[in-house]
Amino acid sequence: DVKVTQSSRYLVKRTGEKVFLECVQDMDHENMFWYRQDPGLGLRLIYFSYDVKMKEKGDIPEGYSVSREKKERFSLILESASTNQTSMYLCASSLSQGFDEQYFGPGTRLTVT
Amino acid sequence: TQLLEQSPQFLSIQEGENLTVYCNSSSVFSSLQWYRQEPGEGPVLLVTVVTGGEVKKLKRLTFQFGDARKDSSLHITAAQPGDTGLYLCAGARGGSNYKLTFGKGTLLTVNP
Repeated sequence: DVKVTQSSRYLVKRTGEKVFLECVQDMDHENMFWYRQDPGLGLRLIYFSYDVKMKEKGDIPEGYSVSREKKERFSLILESASTNQTSMYLCASSLSQGFDEQYFGPGTRLTVT
Repeated sequence: TQLLEQSPQFLSIQEGENLTVYCNSSSVFSSLQWYRQEPGEGPVLLVTVVTGGEVKKLKRLTFQFGDARKDSSLHITAAQPGDTGLYLCAGARGGSNYKLTFGKGTLLTVNP
């Protein structure tokens, strides 16, 4: 079975801190994604990567950056955390282009105070 | 702009009842996926529909893709408490099948 793991289930940070969210998948998937999920807004794509060192902006990239140095690992970086970045962050991966399902991690609930 | 509209947003029913949730768009999608998300977990894929008019069954769940590939429905027969969760539809646009657009979801509660 595909396993997508995220470094933390819960995280509390202060405004202005630099925050790293880590995601690792173990099935050699080409594509990796970062979403945030907020009540009433659904899942919104922040960034995705279709290959090592390749990335594309999603629908809401402002305030975020990403890094993919190895195929299995995709990191989301909040350069200077703000309270409006309090959210559930979900990482996902998929095999390649096509109608491939996305496999999600359990999520990181980030609170910025 | 919300490309995928799901309805209803909330649904609370008794065990044994039938229900249908809808996923509608003005855009054409090359494929549409349905996910279920349980509290504290990430979404898990239930089904992918690709062909207009396609119907897929997964035990008590029936999924249909509209003929014009703009809408989809999920019908659950004899709902059980284990069906409780957030049901999400997600569409892939032609040319970027690996990038999905998600609806806001239908939160289903099945009471024993």
